[in-house]
Amino acid sequence: NAGVTQTPKFQVLKTGQSMTLQCAQDMNHEYMSWYRQDPGMGLRLIHYSVGAGITDQGEVPNGYNVSRSTTEDFPLRLLSAAPSQTSVYFCASSPTLGTGTNTEAFFGQGTRLTVV
Amino acid sequence: AQKITQTQPGMFVQEKEAVTLDCTYDTSDPSYGLFWYKQPSSGEMIFLIYQGSYDQQNATEGRYSLNFQKARKSANLVISASQLGDSAMYFCAMREGMGEAGSNYKLTFGKGTLLTVNP
Repeated sequence: NAGVTQTPKFQVLKTGQSMTLQCAQDMNHEYMSWYRQDPGMGLRLIHYSVGAGITDQGEVPNGYNVSRSTTEDFPLRLLSAAPSQTSVYFCASSPTLGTGTNTEAFFGQGTRLTVV
Repeated sequence: AQKITQTQPGMFVQEKEAVTLDCTYDTSDPSYGLFWYKQPSSGEMIFLIYQGSYDQQNATEGRYSLNFQKARKSANLVISASQLGDSAMYFCAMREGMGEAGSNYKLTFGKGTLLTVNP
């Protein structure tokens, strides 16, 4: 069972370039999200989706776009990369919440992005 | 105000001893869940333990236990009999509005505590 798969694992971009970070999950989870991790900052939510066709902004959405055309895929697009977007990016998915259930987020392996 | 506060940037513990990693949280929602994740140097996020706000007993998972003090809004992680492999960054996280219609699935993370286990 692959779980949550992120590609690529490493990427170097030049300022102004655009790219898409891919995220796919095979657990039929409704909820998917993107976080960025910076030293001393923990993980911060960029965008999230509660199902196909539904997305919303998290804490740090500027400079990023998302779409959710299928349950399995949730790509993150950097429109015009900036050095401030140098970070480690994590995609996560969770099953549908039920009352009192333990629904931890399952994380991908992360993408280390450097913008020069 | 921060929703999740981890006041210990770094902690050291001797192998085979117990260690407590602190986490305090801030929410006005009566329904919430608290999570601990481990991030070893390889970078992946590993789920350790969960505590629901309505759970009557403290959660336990093997060598991990969660010391949940609701009135104090604290959810400390206790690792018993530390092992060298426990050396990692540990994150406390909270999800508010658990189990409600239109639940908030979002996780809010603390800044983490770097645990080093000495031989």
